[in-house]
Amino acid sequence: SQKIEQNSEALNIQEGKTATLTCNYTNYSPAYLQWYRQDPGRGPVFLLLIRENEKEKRKERLKVTFDTTLKQSLFHITASQPADSATYLCALYTGGFKTIFGAGTRLFVKA
Amino acid sequence: NAGVTQTPKFQVLKTGQSMTLQCAQDMNHEYMSWYRQDPGMGLRLIHYSVGAGITDQGEVPNGYNVSRSTTEDFPLRLLSAAPSQTSVYFCASSPRATQSGYGYTFGSGTRLTVV
Repeated sequence: SQKIEQNSEALNIQEGKTATLTCNYTNYSPAYLQWYRQDPGRGPVFLLLIRENEKEKRKERLKVTFDTTLKQSLFHITASQPADSATYLCALYTGGFKTIFGAGTRLFVKA
Repeated sequence: NAGVTQTPKFQVLKTGQSMTLQCAQDMNHEYMSWYRQDPGMGLRLIHYSVGAGITDQGEVPNGYNVSRSTTEDFPLRLLSAAPSQTSVYFCASSPRATQSGYGYTFGSGTRLTVV
């Protein structure tokens, strides 16, 4: 079955550093991959979408890479701030009008 | 522009009771879906709809029913609540069913406890 793996351990970094989160998937070749941010008690918020034919996508301080050979996406936040502290979810469009989500990685940015 | 509105925000049910979780969007989105989120697990798809009058099952549909009589509304019905249905439920919408180039807009969730 299709599976998405995100690091279940929280990531702790210092303000100003670059945070890098990993999303690995198996048994599928998704047409596109998405990243969401989720704050406690809130719904996920869409951040970025990257297609299978795109290697990299940027939006302000965010950068996403997509390696279909490794079946991996990396999500980077540069110049991180305490306000970036949240859980970040990876999601794959699997076709058939369905999207599957990873369990997310919690990011803590310390001032 | 309200986006996706879910009601209620919190609900406690007794085992065997039924209820309907409401979801409405005002963005004229074609696609709507329901997910449940449990600790340590990713969001799991319950049911989805690609347009008014069209619904289909997701990964974990048992115990739930949906209907889509209008573009705006997509209610989720729990037929006979069980403790295993204790979870946080999210409704999400997207402009197009194929999601090409679009992410989901999520509601704020309904926290359901079944005792």
